[in-house]
Amino acid sequence: SQQGEEDPQALSIQEGENATMNCSYKTSINNLQWYRQNSGRGLVHLILIRSNEREKHSGRLRVTLDTSKKSSSLLITASRAADTASYFCATVPTDSWGKLQFGAGTQVVVTP
Amino acid sequence: NAGVTQTPKFRVLKTGQSMTLLCAQDMNHEYMYWYRQDPGMGLRLIHYSVGEGTTAKGEVPDGYNVSRLKKQNFLLGLESAAPSQTSVYFCATRRGPSGGQNTGELFFGEGSRLTVL
Repeated sequence: SQQGEEDPQALSIQEGENATMNCSYKTSINNLQWYRQNSGRGLVHLILIRSNEREKHSGRLRVTLDTSKKSSSLLITASRAADTASYFCATVPTDSWGKLQFGAGTQVVVTP
Repeated sequence: NAGVTQTPKFRVLKTGQSMTLLCAQDMNHEYMYWYRQDPGMGLRLIHYSVGEGTTAKGEVPDGYNVSRLKKQNFLLGLESAAPSQTSVYFCATRRGPSGGQNTGELFFGEGSRLTVL
């Protein structure tokens, strides 16, 4: 079974709008990461948030983490057509530090 | 600096045939991973390695074997391919504890698309 579950599965927005996607997970984690995947390509790391952090920013990205609810959110502000991609959360469990387990992803389409 | 290189990029097999996927990295990372990606399923961990000569099972190890004889290479083998193994396979690497501050970030290859008929 997968550790993370993203919501929504798909998201369609216009350029300039904000995109928000959520990730829920099942076990205690060391950290949570977000990745982007363009069609037909490998995944690219976006941002990492540790279990003792609540919020983190990187450029137009904002990530929050609520360990009590076992959930995280990724916000992309002022979306661009180039943000069209699938976004995945990945977790590093505290009892198995070598592993990263991914969710099913959110497919985001940004139209001009 | 190539990063993470997967070969082959595409392969078509018949049921029962065997093959090996090669992942090579030039980043001196300790940890290496093999994932498969299927539509609607995200990435599922097959096997991983935390150092040369070590391997461990992930979520979906059945039907696959791996070897990490050299630090820079991680091989994924299918001994008797089945149609259920049709997928896109991704290799990824990560710095281990010996590599200084470990952010935990994975670096991915571009994928190997395998079709089993």
